[in-house]
Amino acid sequence: QIVLTQSPALMSASPGEKVTMTCSASSSVSYMYWYQQKPRSSPKPWIYLTSNLASGVPARFSGSGSGTSYSLTISSMEAEDAATYYCQQWSSNPPTFGAGTKLELK
Amino acid sequence: DVQLQESGPGLVKPSQTVSLTCTVTGISITTGNYRWSWIRQFPGNKLEWIGYIYYSGTITYNPSLTSRTTITRDTSKNQFFLEMNSLTAEDTATYYCARDGGNLGRWFAYWGQGTLVTVSA
Repeated sequence: QIVLTQSPALMSASPGEKVTMTCSASSSVSYMYWYQQKPRSSPKPWIYLTSNLASGVPARFSGSGSGTSYSLTISSMEAEDAATYYCQQWSSNPPTFGAGTKLELK
Repeated sequence: DVQLQESGPGLVKPSQTVSLTCTVTGISITTGNYRWSWIRQFPGNKLEWIGYIYYSGTITYNPSLTSRTTITRDTSKNQFFLEMNSLTAEDTATYYCARDGGNLGRWFAYWGQGTLVTVSA
């Protein structure tokens, strides 16, 4: 199965700061997907087909990448963005998730 | 709007079988090009896909769990189900049902709120 490695595992950012987190795949994938999860809630669909924002996701978020290297960027950190972000692939079965990047507010 | 809701027993003894139900509203599980999945999240937050039932009834399992997992459905009630046997403490997790994105990609576009299954004597 394809292993997804997210880095960093933990990061903090100040309001207004640019944030970038990465997801590396053990084999090439066609697309990457991202979820946001806050405590005591289900993962929320966040970015699909590598760079498309899910409904309701603020425009300060963006996704990019190809092959084995993908990233999620926040152009200007806001307090509500503090959460854990997971990447996911389904280019081959089984679909797999990364271990998550926990983003904290500094 | 598409909504999914899990239900289940909460506490299960080791070696026993857990049965979970996902009730879907807002769309029939037999329409469209959708896969209806079970996913679990362990304490510590690791996410693991368990398997799915396709709108046509075809089922695919995670190879790591296929020997003790069964997914079925009741189309008259618009529900699908997960049975997992030979449970151990390592199966303690929050279990989610989810639907993929169909033509918008193979991701989990809709999730239930999750149901915690604790395996303990």
